[in-house]
Amino acid sequence: NAGVTQTPKFQVLKTGQSMTLQCAQDMNHEYMSWYRQDPGMGLRLIHYSVGAGITDQGEVPNGYNVSRSTTEDFPLRLLSAAPSQTSVYFCASSRRQTLAKNIQYFGAGTRLSVL
Amino acid sequence: AQSVAQPEDQVNVAEGNPLTVKCTYSVSGNPYLFWYVQYPNRGLQFLLKYITGDNLVKGSYGFEAEFNKSQTSFHLKKPSALVSDSALYFCAVRDIRSGNTPLVFGKGTRLSVIA
Repeated sequence: NAGVTQTPKFQVLKTGQSMTLQCAQDMNHEYMSWYRQDPGMGLRLIHYSVGAGITDQGEVPNGYNVSRSTTEDFPLRLLSAAPSQTSVYFCASSRRQTLAKNIQYFGAGTRLSVL
Repeated sequence: AQSVAQPEDQVNVAEGNPLTVKCTYSVSGNPYLFWYVQYPNRGLQFLLKYITGDNLVKGSYGFEAEFNKSQTSFHLKKPSALVSDSALYFCAVRDIRSGNTPLVFGKGTRLSVIA
């Protein structure tokens, strides 16, 4: 059971480039989310999805797009990368039913540097 | 609104001594509370959660946490620290009436256990 898989593990971009961070889970979880982790800032929610076809913005959505065409996948797109998007990105998933008390499962993260 | 505060950025403990990592929360109603741990270059892993019932919750790796409603706290504890406990610890909260509202994380506390 792979759990939550994120690719790539590392990425270096130039300012203005676009890219997609991939996230896939094999636990049939309805709820998926993207966080960024910065020193001293903890985890900040970017976007989340409660099921296929449904997405919503988190705390820091600007500069990022998401879509959820399948239950398994929740890609995060950077449209035009900026140095302020240099961060470690984590994808997480959990069951939707009784979401409030469910455990979230995290991927290993993607380390992104924007030059 | 939901919020979590971890007042200490860093906690240093000698191996074999008891450890405490502090967390206070704010929710409109009653909380579901979680602790997660992050080891270097890894995603977050679930440690324990408080849903209802006994105020003392036991979790993985010998950790426990005590829910104190009057002080709105959920401090993480371990009777005897190990060097391998050195990691970044996150407290998180969700209001039990929040439905699909995302989990809110604190900024994290870095625990360093010294041999």
